Amino acid sequence: QQQVKQSPQSLIVQKGGISIINCAYENTAFDYFPWYQQFPGKGPALLIAIRPDVSEKKEGRFTISFNKSAKQFSLHIMDSQPGDSATYFCAAAKYDMRFGAGTRLTVKP
Amino acid sequence: DAGVIQSPRHEVTEMGQEVTLRCKPISGHNSLFWYRQTMMRGLELLIYFNNNVPIDDSGMPEDRFSAKMPNASFSTLKIQPSEPRDSAVYFCATMLSSGGELFFGEGSRLTVL
Repeated sequence: QQQVKQSPQSLIVQKGGISIINCAYENTAFDYFPWYQQFPGKGPALLIAIRPDVSEKKEGRFTISFNKSAKQFSLHIMDSQPGDSATYFCAAAKYDMRFGAGTRLTVKP
Repeated sequence: DAGVIQSPRHEVTEMGQEVTLRCKPISGHNSLFWYRQTMMRGLELLIYFNNNVPIDDSGMPEDRFSAKMPNASFSTLKIQPSEPRDSAVYFCATMLSSGGELFFGEGSRLTVL
């Protein structure tokens, strides 16, 4: 089932720093690439998403960079805050949605 | 909107017992997904339905697991008999149509002793 590979498994960043999480996919039929954020005891919630016809999408401090030829995409969190501490999942979808293994982000104050 | 509603939120049971997890999708959402989350395997897709019809159940671990969607407002995931290795958080998630935002419930945490 591991159609989406995510790294790193965990990440520690200082407040104000940049957090970068990477994902790679295999199936070229995927046409929707979201990132989900999950806090303890809660379900994942959509953070930001991109379709393969664009190479970058920015929403506030969050940016997705997408490289269709390399079949890779990444999440950049600028000016990381302690409140961003959570687990982040990349995903890829066509008719169903497949998730990466998750990255536990800790932002130290 | 109340969001995706799952019950129970927590279930503790003994090995061999039957477990039934329930999900009420967001009204109007015609695709429903069951995921299992563990530390070791992350978020695994177990099965998904489109317009109440099971489309892909290749992620269901074994015959002990079954899922139904008798109508557009209700789905169940049943484990019979349960085993300690089934301990996990089970999420139901729904969306409007193929592709697009997937909305998750709060999950059902299952512990099998």
